[in-house]
Amino acid sequence: QVQLQQWGAGLLKPSETLSLTCGVSGASFSSTAYCTWIRQSPGKGLEWIGKINNSGSVHYNPSLKSRATISVDTSKNQFSLKVTPVTAADTAVYFCAREVLRGVRFSFDLWGQGTLVTVSS
Amino acid sequence: DIQMTQSPSSLSASIGDRVTITCRASQSITRYVNWYQQKPGKAPNLLIYAASNLQGGVPSRFSGGGSGTDFTLTISSLQPEDFATYYCQQSYSIPYTFGQGTKLEI
Repeated sequence: QVQLQQWGAGLLKPSETLSLTCGVSGASFSSTAYCTWIRQSPGKGLEWIGKINNSGSVHYNPSLKSRATISVDTSKNQFSLKVTPVTAADTAVYFCAREVLRGVRFSFDLWGQGTLVTVSS
Repeated sequence: DIQMTQSPSSLSASIGDRVTITCRASQSITRYVNWYQQKPGKAPNLLIYAASNLQGGVPSRFSGGGSGTDFTLTISSLQPEDFATYYCQQSYSIPYTFGQGTKLEI
């Protein structure tokens, strides 16, 4: 049974770098699946950040204005998210999720447990 | 970006009720909408994909419909475990976007 476990620092100061990792256990992602990052804040609801597959094909939400970087380490079956520099507006619960292809479009069928990241001076 | 607008924002209902939540897209997304349920402190859980397809393990009292810009999520007979927040999400184009959520309360 595939599971996603995520970890990373939960308290940051403005201008620092947010760094989160999502580990996949139980199996590797298929070639058509992506690891996607999503965040949830009271003010902006659920926001899609970006996604990457095992081949390194990556897509970002332009709203993060190039501050986000998503990467994959296939040897460790891990995906990572970095956001820099952070501001208070980046305070949110961050989720990793598996994005699977159903027919011709994707859905998020498996989620990590979520990590609360707070940005405060 | 495609805007997804859900209504209502909150809904009060009773056990056994039939409830419908609607989601409207700012442009046609054919049938590329997914629905999620989220309980407090938990990650969202996929219920319906591609407008009307039930995710494995999801009870059959959940159903989805619609196409183009207007979509619905229906729960045929509310159970105690169904009181949660529900979100629609479009997978038609990047960046993917979500509705603002519908909180279903007793």
